[in-house]
Amino acid sequence: GQNIDQPTEMTATEGAIVQINCTYQTSGFNGLFWYQQHAGEAPTFLSYNVLDGLEEKGRFSSFLSRSKGYSYLLLKELQMKDSASYLCAVMDSNYQLIWGAGTKLIIKP
Amino acid sequence: TAGITQAPTSQILAAGRSMTLRCTQDMRHNAMYWYRQDLGLGLRLIHYSNTAGTTGKGEVPDGYSVSRANTDDFPLTLASAVPSQTSVYFCASSDLGGAGTDTQYFGPGTRLTVL
Repeated sequence: GQNIDQPTEMTATEGAIVQINCTYQTSGFNGLFWYQQHAGEAPTFLSYNVLDGLEEKGRFSSFLSRSKGYSYLLLKELQMKDSASYLCAVMDSNYQLIWGAGTKLIIKP
Repeated sequence: TAGITQAPTSQILAAGRSMTLRCTQDMRHNAMYWYRQDLGLGLRLIHYSNTAGTTGKGEVPDGYSVSRANTDDFPLTLASAVPSQTSVYFCASSDLGGAGTDTQYFGPGTRLTVL
């Protein structure tokens, strides 16, 4: 079956760095997406990786290793507004997104 | 640009009643999707449409139906609601197969409670 695993919850301190991991097993691979979802709101797109390596976008970076079925989202200089759930999703061979359950990130002052 | 709109924002529905959740996008995206999101679970695909006039079943289609008469609208109908359909419903759209990355963009969601 298809599976996306990510930690349920993480806690970090304002100003610090946090890495959220995601491992996946899917039938086919057409890219990996990270979304941010604040409580009570819709998911919003953060990043996309289809080739191995690191994609940097401001304070956020996303890494992919297709051979290991592994990705991480790196958040630097954490701000209180970064408190949210972070969703990892993989596009399978049918171009459908398979979603992880999300990682709730709690930022403490 | 409005992007994707959904209506209603929230609804309480008696079991056995029918209801249609509305979704409209103004981005001229060819593909549209309906998901449900339940606590502790990832987003689960209910139905999708890769282009106007076509629809397909996702992971959890039972009890739901959709139509795609035009590019902009993708309504989701619950014919006879049951309490297990209590959830938050998100509509999304993407430019599937276009020049971009097939990124899905989400509407604000509909919170449905079936009693």
